[in-house]
Amino acid sequence: AQSVTQLDSQVPVFEEAPVELRCNYSSSVSVYLFWYVQYPNQGLQLLLKYLSGSTLVESINGFEAEFNKSQTSFHLRKPSVHISDTAEYFCAVFYNQGGKLIFGQGTELSVKP
Amino acid sequence: ETGVTQSPTHLIKTRGQQVTLRCSSQSGHNTVSWYQQALGQGPQFIFQYYREEENGRGNFPPRFSGLQFPNYSSELNVNALELDDSALYLCASSQRTAIYEQYFGPGTRLTVT
Repeated sequence: AQSVTQLDSQVPVFEEAPVELRCNYSSSVSVYLFWYVQYPNQGLQLLLKYLSGSTLVESINGFEAEFNKSQTSFHLRKPSVHISDTAEYFCAVFYNQGGKLIFGQGTELSVKP
Repeated sequence: ETGVTQSPTHLIKTRGQQVTLRCSSQSGHNTVSWYQQALGQGPQFIFQYYREEENGRGNFPPRFSGLQFPNYSSELNVNALELDDSALYLCASSQRTAIYEQYFGPGTRLTVT
């Protein structure tokens, strides 16, 4: 069965510290990978995506994610977090069958001063 | 460019009632997907509409149904509401040629009492 596993449900971190949010997926075929961010009481915002090409993808606000096919992972990183990065982060995989996104359970990132 | 909009923002219904949620897709998008996000969980795919027809369905019972209109807007209908239907319902739109890149609305928070 297709699945996405986010290995940490909560990640507390101090401001300006580095952070990594981990994501693993199950698939034997090519996939498209995404990270979405959800701020309190809001919908999902697309943070970054991997479709093909370079395995390292970056967002405009300093996040990056690396696609590792051998480890079926797509971990999200940021070298220095801000208070405003506090949110829920979801890893998602797109499977062609049914045209649907499969989401992980989410990781709550809490940045403390 | 107008983003994805959803109405209403919040809704409270009683068990056994019926509810209709509405979604307007982003300008230029012709495909609409619906997801259910229970508290503390990742979104779960309900179904997808393209050219006014259902084009993929997740593991949801038939009492969850939908429509898509010629202007690409969409409705989600849920009959015989159950307590477990309480959730955030998210609509996402995409272009058919890039169906994997889905843009989400702010959601409708449904509470069933």
